[in-house]
Amino acid sequence: DTGVSQDPRHKITKRGQNVTFRCDPISEHNRLYWYRQTLGQGPEFLTYFQNEAQLEKSRLLSDRFSAERPKGSFSTLEIQRTEQGDSAMYLCASNSFGYNEQFFGPGTRLTVL
Amino acid sequence: DAKTTQPNSMESNEEEPVHLPCNHSTISGTDYIHWYRQLPSQGPEYVIHGLTSNVNNRMASLAIAEDRKSSTLILHRATLRDAAVYYCILRDQGGGSNYKLTFGKGTLLTVNP
Repeated sequence: DTGVSQDPRHKITKRGQNVTFRCDPISEHNRLYWYRQTLGQGPEFLTYFQNEAQLEKSRLLSDRFSAERPKGSFSTLEIQRTEQGDSAMYLCASNSFGYNEQFFGPGTRLTVL
Repeated sequence: DAKTTQPNSMESNEEEPVHLPCNHSTISGTDYIHWYRQLPSQGPEYVIHGLTSNVNNRMASLAIAEDRKSSTLILHRATLRDAAVYYCILRDQGGGSNYKLTFGKGTLLTVNP
């Protein structure tokens, strides 16, 4: 297993465009997390899935953001009508229920012009 | 989650031990102390965690004060590859939100050759 992978690694878009990021967790991990990290700050929790069920969404996740994990495997995070304030690193992590350690992917760096 | 306080930055020399402090004076009885680190341009990486007793693994040691209000991450021989931001995180293993990580700003460790 090669770990958590994220695609793309970098995305540059213009304000108002929609973007979609993909996360492939470690196989058989039933929990998947999305975090956002801005420059100089630690990652902030956005949302969490157990299998295909989205169990919590942070208040940071405005209605322009939507996340899915349709078959309990990979997940997508979509941002509609991007704003400059959405520029950040979007990190995905996974683990299994009852397991302490979260395994993070390399992140997708979004730049909104 | 209870808050932690860490120095913004620390500096060390290669092959010398490094002691990274963390204060968590409002820690509760069910809070575990977790440490993650984030190397440049990568996602966070689990380092170690503990509850009351000191812990050792291949990466580091965790020394926990008797009153649990502070802890220290110990890197026994720093290498250039240990240069990273180190995050001290409290996770309530008994609560309903024990799945997510709440990061602060962490400590930026610089290792001099």
